[in-house]
Amino acid sequence: EPEVTQTPSHQVTQMGQEVILRCVPISNHLYFYWYRQILGQKVEFLVSFYNNEISEKSEIFDDQFSVERPDGSNFTLKIRSTKLEDSAMYFCASSEGTSGANVLTFGAGSRLTVL
Amino acid sequence: SQQGEEDPQALSIQEGENATMNCSYKTSINNLQWYRQNSGRGLVHLILIRSNEREKHSGRLRVTLDTSKKSSSLLITASRAADTASYFCATLRVSNNRKLIWGLGTSLAVNP
Repeated sequence: EPEVTQTPSHQVTQMGQEVILRCVPISNHLYFYWYRQILGQKVEFLVSFYNNEISEKSEIFDDQFSVERPDGSNFTLKIRSTKLEDSAMYFCASSEGTSGANVLTFGAGSRLTVL
Repeated sequence: SQQGEEDPQALSIQEGENATMNCSYKTSINNLQWYRQNSGRGLVHLILIRSNEREKHSGRLRVTLDTSKKSSSLLITASRAADTASYFCATLRVSNNRKLIWGLGTSLAVNP
């Protein structure tokens, strides 16, 4: 069964460092997403991406965050200067975008720990 | 931002019992989806119910939707220890048909 893969599974970084989280969405999906989940809390929408541009972003997705689809398969989330409060699980998801139902397939997540 | 709310926040039952989780939302929706999350893992889509549907079944899962009350319930029958996970509802709003609005989740513990 097709799956969304994310790397790394866990990254530890120092405050102020740049972090890039990588995702390979399902190949025939058109919409890509990043969500985050702080430990024990709700799933929070960060950004959606379609047709090589951001289609929607939340208030969390400030200038410290950026997304990119550098080639035909990868979808990356960059945090330029990490803060302690960026520590969370970051989930990539993708959806077909053709059925209108918008069922998301999630990756297993990347745990980011900022020290 | 508007979001769904699940209740209860936590539920502990014995294996073999049924588990019922509820979700309420605030705006008109296209569909409502339930996802499951095992501890420390990603979310897995379980079942989708469209706004013109009232009930849907998938294996041991039964979902109902009451659009007049803006609420949904997820019933897991004959629960197993492997059903232990967090369950989230997510709604696809009529006004924005790409962005899912997530609830806070119900943490289900099924004791063997």
